Amino acid sequence: DIQLTQSPPFLSASVGDRVTITCRASQHISSSLAWYQQKPGKAPKLLIYDASTLQSGVPSRFSGSGSGTEFTLTISSLQPEDFASYSCQQLNTYPPTFGGGTKVDIK
Amino acid sequence: QVQLVESGGGVVQPGRSLRLSCAASAFNFDTYTIHWVRQAPGQGLQWVATVSYDGSQKRYTDSVKGRFSISRDNFRRTLYLQLSSLGIEDTALYFCARGGQGRNSRGPLDLWGPGTMVTVS
Repeated sequence: DIQLTQSPPFLSASVGDRVTITCRASQHISSSLAWYQQKPGKAPKLLIYDASTLQSGVPSRFSGSGSGTEFTLTISSLQPEDFASYSCQQLNTYPPTFGGGTKVDIK
Repeated sequence: QVQLVESGGGVVQPGRSLRLSCAASAFNFDTYTIHWVRQAPGQGLQWVATVSYDGSQKRYTDSVKGRFSISRDNFRRTLYLQLSSLGIEDTALYFCARGGQGRNSRGPLDLWGPGTMVTVS
């Protein structure tokens, strides 16, 4: 199975900060990576797919980049509603594994 | 309203069985791959199983193979997950999620239900 390692696992930031989360794959996965946001007790929400394509309705402050084995999710200016957990998922090969998640909380 | 809604969760004793359902509304259910994903309390997301749009292909994570069975009824627009020989490690919030369309089984999960909780105790 392909392992996805997210870093950092926890991140404290302030409103307006630029935030970057990294996801590293144990094998080459081309651009077959998605990013999800999840708030406590709620279902995940798709933010980015194909590594860099913004899902419809997602604010443009979210962006994704990378290919192969290293990927990043960037929030250009953190907003109060962005405090949540973020997970990556590879869709290149079954099983479609998830990263361990990154929790972004208020500094 | 385009949505997925899970049901069937509850508290069950170890070794027992349970069937989860996922009802789809307001989209062409029979053209999409559908997944089950679970999340144990305080833990990350874990993909559990997938069924193709026509039900012909089914895949499972190793830890549930032989114990869980995924199926779908396109006429009723409903997905199912039969859970058997449940263990404490299966305690989790179970989500159904919409994946790729047609033969694309690797599309991102763009629509999720709110989840149904399974507690094995």
